[in-house]
Amino acid sequence: QKEVEQDPGPLSVPEGAIVSLNCTYSNSAFQYFMWYRQYSRKGPELLMYTYSSGNKEDGRFTAQVDKSSKYISLFIRDSQPSDSATYLCAMSGGGSYIPTFGRGTSLIVHP
Amino acid sequence: DAGVTQSPTHLIKTRGQHVTLRCSPISGHKSVSWYQQVLGQGPQFIFQYYEKEERGRGNFPDRFSARQFPNYSSELNVNALLLGDSALYLCASSFRQGASDTQYFGPGTRLTVL
Repeated sequence: QKEVEQDPGPLSVPEGAIVSLNCTYSNSAFQYFMWYRQYSRKGPELLMYTYSSGNKEDGRFTAQVDKSSKYISLFIRDSQPSDSATYLCAMSGGGSYIPTFGRGTSLIVHP
Repeated sequence: DAGVTQSPTHLIKTRGQHVTLRCSPISGHKSVSWYQQVLGQGPQFIFQYYEKEERGRGNFPDRFSARQFPNYSSELNVNALLLGDSALYLCASSFRQGASDTQYFGPGTRLTVL
C-alpha cells in the first residue's frame, strides 16, 4: 500500500460543475497538507496549503482535511475549462519535512 | 519577482552519458530540492539541500548526485544514464527546510534518454 493514494482519473465534468478531488493516506504523523495543480509538461503550482485538520477556502477552491479518517479533499466551485490539469496532493510532517506526493488526478472540464 | 528557474528546458541524451541540470531558487530561499517525475506519477524526492549541505536523500542510486552553491543555486548530476532515467526533473525551493515551509516548483527539465 502506498503512503498516499490518489485516483488518477481522468475525471471529466461539464463547465460550472463542482469538482471534488480526494486523497487518502496512511501516515498519521502527517500534519501539513498541500494541493498542487500541474498543467501538461509544466511544473506543479501550489494551490492550497493547510495545517492539521479543518477547512481552508481561497476563491473557488476549498481544501478539507479530516485527520481522523486520513482523508483530504479539494473542492473546485464553478469549474472552468482552464481548470483542466492534473491535481497533486502532497503531505509532510512527523519528523519528515520532505513532502510525499500522490500520483495526481487528471481533471478535464469541458465547455 | 522571478520564480524558480531551471535549465535546460529539454535534453536528449543516449544511454551511458552524463547529464547536468541546473536550478536557481526564488530570491531569499535557501533550500533546494530535486524531484523526478515519471509520466503518470507524482514527483519522487531525490535530494534536498539547505545552506549548501545535503539534508535529505531519497531512494535513488549513487549515479545521482547534487550540490548547492554559495548563491543557493543547485546542480543535479546523473551519470551512466539509463533509459529509465527519462523523466521530468523538477527543482523546488523553500525558505527553510522545515515541514511547514512550502515548496515552490520550477518548470522542470524534460530528459529523454535514447
